[in-house]
Amino acid sequence: EVQLVESGGGLVQPGGSLRLSCAASGFTFSGYWMHWVRQVPGKGLVWVSRINEDGSSINYADSVKGRFTISRDNAKNTLILQMNSLRVEDTAVYYCAREGRQWLMNYYYYYMDVWGKGTTVTVSS
Amino acid sequence: DIQMTQSPSSLSASVGDRVTITCRASQNINIYLNWYLQKPGKAPKLLIYAASSLQSGVPSRFSGSGSGTDFTFTISSLQPEDFATYYCQQSYNTPRTFGQGTKVEAK
Repeated sequence: EVQLVESGGGLVQPGGSLRLSCAASGFTFSGYWMHWVRQVPGKGLVWVSRINEDGSSINYADSVKGRFTISRDNAKNTLILQMNSLRVEDTAVYYCAREGRQWLMNYYYYYMDVWGKGTTVTVSS
Repeated sequence: DIQMTQSPSSLSASVGDRVTITCRASQNINIYLNWYLQKPGKAPKLLIYAASSLQSGVPSRFSGSGSGTDFTFTISSLQPEDFATYYCQQSYNTPRTFGQGTKVEAK
C-alpha cells in the first residue's frame, strides 16, 4: 500500500525547534518530488516547501525561508522538515505529500497524489 | 506568486444537485490546475489533475474544465459523501498555491 506517515509534531515554545519526519512506503520514494503543506485548523491549505528526487533542488514559502529546512534520506525513505525559530503563526497541521506527474499532450503535469494524515504543531508559551 | 481565487467560499446544496465551483488564476497557468477534496480532520484527496483528468478511482460524477486563467469543477449529482471542502491548486510553478477553499454544506 502506498503510504506516507508523518511524525514529530508537538507543543513547543516560540523560538523553539521541531523536526518533522515523513516515512514513505509502498512506492519508490527516490523517484518523486516531495512537499510539505500546512493547514491552520479551520483554514485553508498552504504550501510550505518542496524537494526534488535527490535533494539538489529545494524551494520554500517566503514565510518559512531561513527558518525551515527540508531534506530527505532516500536510503531510509524519509522526508524531513527541520523547523527552527518557531512562531505562534507556525501552529498548524503539517502534511507531507508526494508529487505525481502525468505525461499528457507533450507535457508533464504535476499534482499531489498521496498525502499523509498530518502531524500537529502547536507553538505557544 | 500566482494567486488562486475560488468562488463561492461556501454553498448549500441537496443530494442530487449539480454543484459548480469556479477557480481563477492571477495569470495564465495553461491547464496546470488540480482539484482536491478534504473532509474535516482528514488529509486532502486528489480528484482532478491537469484541469480535466480524473484521478484513478474517483467517481465520474466529478469533472473539471477550463484553461488559462478560468476553471470550473462540477459534481453532476451530489452524493452524501461529497459534503466537504474543495480546493483548487496550481502546479504551473513554485510556490504551489491553493485556492481558499469552497465548503459544500447540506441545505
